[in-house]
Amino acid sequence: GAVVSQHPSWVICKSGTSVKIECRSLDFQATTMFWYRQFPKQSLMLMATSNEGSKATYEQGVEKDKFLINHASLTLSTLTVTSAHPEDSSFYICSGGLGGNQPQHFGDGTRLSIL
Amino acid sequence: GQNIDQPTEMTATEGAIVQINCTYQTSGFNGLFWYQQHAGEAPTFLSYNVLDGLEEKGRFSSFLSRSKGYSYLLLKELQMKDSASYLCAVRAHSGNTPLVFGKGTRLSVIA
Repeated sequence: GAVVSQHPSWVICKSGTSVKIECRSLDFQATTMFWYRQFPKQSLMLMATSNEGSKATYEQGVEKDKFLINHASLTLSTLTVTSAHPEDSSFYICSGGLGGNQPQHFGDGTRLSIL
Repeated sequence: GQNIDQPTEMTATEGAIVQINCTYQTSGFNGLFWYQQHAGEAPTFLSYNVLDGLEEKGRFSSFLSRSKGYSYLLLKELQMKDSASYLCAVRAHSGNTPLVFGKGTRLSVIA
């Protein structure tokens, strides 16, 4: 259970482009999902907590106007990287789960490369 | 603040046993998770501990001591495919809350 699907898996685009990443819960209702970013050989860093039907909660240092999160349904959360620049190139991963003693399950991740 | 420490790299021989340690200092504790992450892929769940003691799942076992803020992941009968990063993560707060991850331990299994 708790299967999470993430799309696209790979994006290469020019600087200044906005990129939308979708994260879907396939077999459970996700009132909460999490977005992480991972730079090479680094840990997963939490960017924001996505809450269905309300505003996302962003971690300190993450620009909410640059990383727009929408969680309009119980099965879909989206992260839009607006006006992306080379320093935004990273591996973005979403996760969801039922909480408590249940693990978070991760989407396959999106490798974003900004030229 | 939240702090999770684990060794950066380890090397072990095929067929051997390896223990990956993790120590944590977090504002709260509601469970510790181990994940496996192959290069370029998302993490996959391995094990969960919330009470002290050993949890065994096939070739993988995980141990927790809450009083010491310490856990380890034990991998037996190592295979080449076990070469990956192993991430220690703590759920600091109750409910459906995010995990805090260590930097991961890159395990290389050699013949």
